Amino acid sequence: GAGVSQSPRYKVAKRGQDVALRCDPISGHVSLFWYQQALGQGPEFLTYFQNEAQLDKSGLPSDRFFAERPEGSVSTLKIQRTQQEDSAVYLCASSPPGAGVRNEQFFGPGTRLTVL
Amino acid sequence: GENVEQHPSTLSVQEGDSAVIKCTYSDSASNYFPWYKQELGKGPQLIIDIRSNVGEKKDQRIAVTLNKTAKHFSLHITETQPEDSAVYFCAASNGLTGGGNKLTFGTGTQLKVEL
Repeated sequence: GAGVSQSPRYKVAKRGQDVALRCDPISGHVSLFWYQQALGQGPEFLTYFQNEAQLDKSGLPSDRFFAERPEGSVSTLKIQRTQQEDSAVYLCASSPPGAGVRNEQFFGPGTRLTVL
Repeated sequence: GENVEQHPSTLSVQEGDSAVIKCTYSDSASNYFPWYKQELGKGPQLIIDIRSNVGEKKDQRIAVTLNKTAKHFSLHITETQPEDSAVYFCAASNGLTGGGNKLTFGTGTQLKVEL
């Protein structure tokens, strides 16, 4: 079956612009995660959804970052007034249902954001 | 919060040799430890994982060991092949009831398998 898909794959924004990054999780996966991966580093947690509920947003670096998943499927990560330090790969992952038993997270290819 | 350290940062081996990557974690409540392989321009791919109720798991040429007392876990790749060349990440999480098991990643190991 299809894996996690993300769009766009590449995004170039001028400093101060707003951007929206989309994630389509694996069908049936109720859990969805966003991570930020700086060049040469491991992914860092941003936020987590269970269905449409955003249960953890402790990793969002500032109030310029906003995520939503209104129907419990597709998710959008929005960054307002982008800054150069926002340049990174943004990864989305989804996880199958199964409370505390099946923890596997499956990642999409990521969106590479470059802020000029 | 959880902190995961990973070493080495780079590893070069000859084809057919074994490769070992080691990680340590800080949170004794962590109970799930996956390993991911990331190729250039792609997202991380889950290759093997282990839960805290076992000490070792093997899948063909790949094995993972876990020492809960020492809070460290390792990835072992035997009979390495050129296609094993990639960046490998370890991670840890505390699998909560209902999900929400955010992963804390190590800093990655660039593995190069030379012919």
